[in-house]
Amino acid sequence: SAVISQKPSRDICQRGTSLTIQCQVDSQVTMMFWYRQQPGQSLTLIATANQGSEATYESGFVIDKFPISRPNLTFSTLTVSNMSPEDSSIYLCSGQFNYGYTFGSGTRLTVV
Amino acid sequence: GIQVEQSPPDLILQEGANSTLRCNFSDSVNNLQWFHQNPWGQLINLFYIPSGTKQNGRLSATTVATERYSLLYISSSQTTDSGVYFCAVTNQAGTALIFGKGTTLSVSS
Repeated sequence: SAVISQKPSRDICQRGTSLTIQCQVDSQVTMMFWYRQQPGQSLTLIATANQGSEATYESGFVIDKFPISRPNLTFSTLTVSNMSPEDSSIYLCSGQFNYGYTFGSGTRLTVV
Repeated sequence: GIQVEQSPPDLILQEGANSTLRCNFSDSVNNLQWFHQNPWGQLINLFYIPSGTKQNGRLSATTVATERYSLLYISSSQTTDSGVYFCAVTNQAGTALIFGKGTTLSVSS
């Protein structure tokens, strides 16, 4: 099965700054997804990222706050912009494959 | 959109006990997966099971698609089984996985 390498694994950031999270897949994948998991909660879909087109955002998430890039079929980034303590969460990327969905190892973000 | 409900929300077991986790969903599904999230936040894929039954060691899963539910069985539980178990689905119109709220399992020795 495919492997998705996600980095950084964790970070502590100052409010008002931005953090870019990267996901590298070891095989080509058409559809990638970004999720947020707030403390003690389930995973919530942020956006769907397809190569060659703009990401599609879910209700409550906007491109200015969570810009996403998908330059090719093996790579994607999510930026968390102008961070506040409410952005403290685990962020995970995912790819859709023939056998189901695989996830990166997650980025644990703390905003202080 | 499709709704995913998991039960029970919390489960406390002694090592060696068996357990059954349930996932109900509100629409026909194209994909259903069970995940285990360990204390470090990593999401481990347990089963891809939109229908039928699968087994992997002490774990097994059954999905009855016509009745819109799936069950995850854990036998002879170990402390390393502790964590949160998520059920996630896509329906015929969707592409991304939609997650239930999870079952938090605590296994003590």
